[in-house]
Amino acid sequence: NAGVMQNPRHLVRRRGQEARLRCSPMKGHSHVYWYRQLPEEGLKFMVYLQKENIIDESGMPKERFSAEFPKEGPSILRIQQVVRGDSAAYFCASSNRWRNEQYFGPGTRLTVT
Amino acid sequence: KQEVTQIPAALSVPEGENLVLNCSFTDSAIYNLQWFRQDPGKGLTSLLLIQSSQREQTSGRLNASLDKSSGRSTLYIAASQPGDSATYLCALNAGGTSYGKLTFGQGTILTVHP
Repeated sequence: NAGVMQNPRHLVRRRGQEARLRCSPMKGHSHVYWYRQLPEEGLKFMVYLQKENIIDESGMPKERFSAEFPKEGPSILRIQQVVRGDSAAYFCASSNRWRNEQYFGPGTRLTVT
Repeated sequence: KQEVTQIPAALSVPEGENLVLNCSFTDSAIYNLQWFRQDPGKGLTSLLLIQSSQREQTSGRLNASLDKSSGRSTLYIAASQPGDSATYLCALNAGGTSYGKLTFGQGTILTVHP
């Protein structure tokens, strides 16, 4: 049973470009969560999604960030017009609907130059 | 607002020692608590999950306890090994309207030297 998969593992973008981060949850998991780990800071919750629904986006910056989890395919975290302050590790986690034990992917390390 | 604190921030011990990592939280209304380890440059590995109704969980050399009334959880590692060196994180799920959102502590960096 493959774990949570994220791609790309490393992403370099210039300021003003768009970044798209993908997350495929574990088989049988229908809940997806995104977290951000800024340099020298702890992990912070961004958004919680179920298939085709955003359940909690209280941790998402109000501008430039969006997330989706379509009926088919991976969850996508999209950052428009990236700035240097967006440089961080972005982690995705998933869980099933019965037991909220979250399993994390390896992360995508975004560098904005 | 739930706040999670982990003490100590860093710990260095010789191989074979038993050790305790501490996690404290400000709001006792929690749904569950999870302990993770994170290796440098890697993702998080779930170690133990304790539901709100439970007092402790065990897996191999690891034992985690939960005391909601005092706002504490401890992770006990028996007979530590160099391979245990990593950052250990505790995370709370408050449940209710915050169900699914994990609030993390800053972590304890553990080094076990041979």
